[in-house]
Amino acid sequence: DAGITQSPRHKVTETGTPVTLRCHQTENHRYMYWYRQDPGHGLRLIHYSYGVKDTDKGEVSDGYSVSRSKTEDFLLTLESATSSQTSVYFCAISEGRYSGNTIYFGEGSWLTVV
Amino acid sequence: DAKTTQPPSMDCAEGRAANLPCNHSTISGNEYVYWYRQIHSQGPQYIIHGLKNNETNEMASLIITEDRKSSTLILPHATLRDTAVYYCIVRVPLGGANSKLTFGKGITLSVRP
Repeated sequence: DAGITQSPRHKVTETGTPVTLRCHQTENHRYMYWYRQDPGHGLRLIHYSYGVKDTDKGEVSDGYSVSRSKTEDFLLTLESATSSQTSVYFCAISEGRYSGNTIYFGEGSWLTVV
Repeated sequence: DAKTTQPPSMDCAEGRAANLPCNHSTISGNEYVYWYRQIHSQGPQYIIHGLKNNETNEMASLIITEDRKSSTLILPHATLRDTAVYYCIVRVPLGGANSKLTFGKGITLSVRP
């Protein structure tokens, strides 16, 4: 196992409510990522972090914000959830940003927005 | 981004070797090839990666052609638990434009008893 814990693992929420997903790592890796996986789209990067308080956008960042106050924790927040954000969300980590740095994934958080 | 192409599915008999092909003809010189697999309702599991030399670990072997335009993942003795979707990807470094770890549709491996 890659030492990644995601919480909650499953959540059902109503449209318009805020939702926060948490990713916790025990590997002390510098880089952390949030991806979403949807049928027909594969895995898409939402946001990533390259250090405490250092974050950047991925390819599908609209409607999402992130925060990283500690090396081990990376939070993904949906400020006002919409049905289009129903998805499975994966946290991932890597030691560095280069091609040779392996990315390891967590087990996923299933989010349903009704 | 270097794209990859894989056949949609294949099967093999339990105990036999499973050879999963992947084409990545537009790969750049410093980009690694990675293989992951995903069993339903689980996160992508890292299997192996390589740049230009063949690689082997406790899970699998990776054979990369000399021109680096294709590779083959080999599961030497497939078991029923190896039934999964296998993704071949090219890891693009972060930085510059939006970074992607693009997972295509992968290849569904079915291991039969």
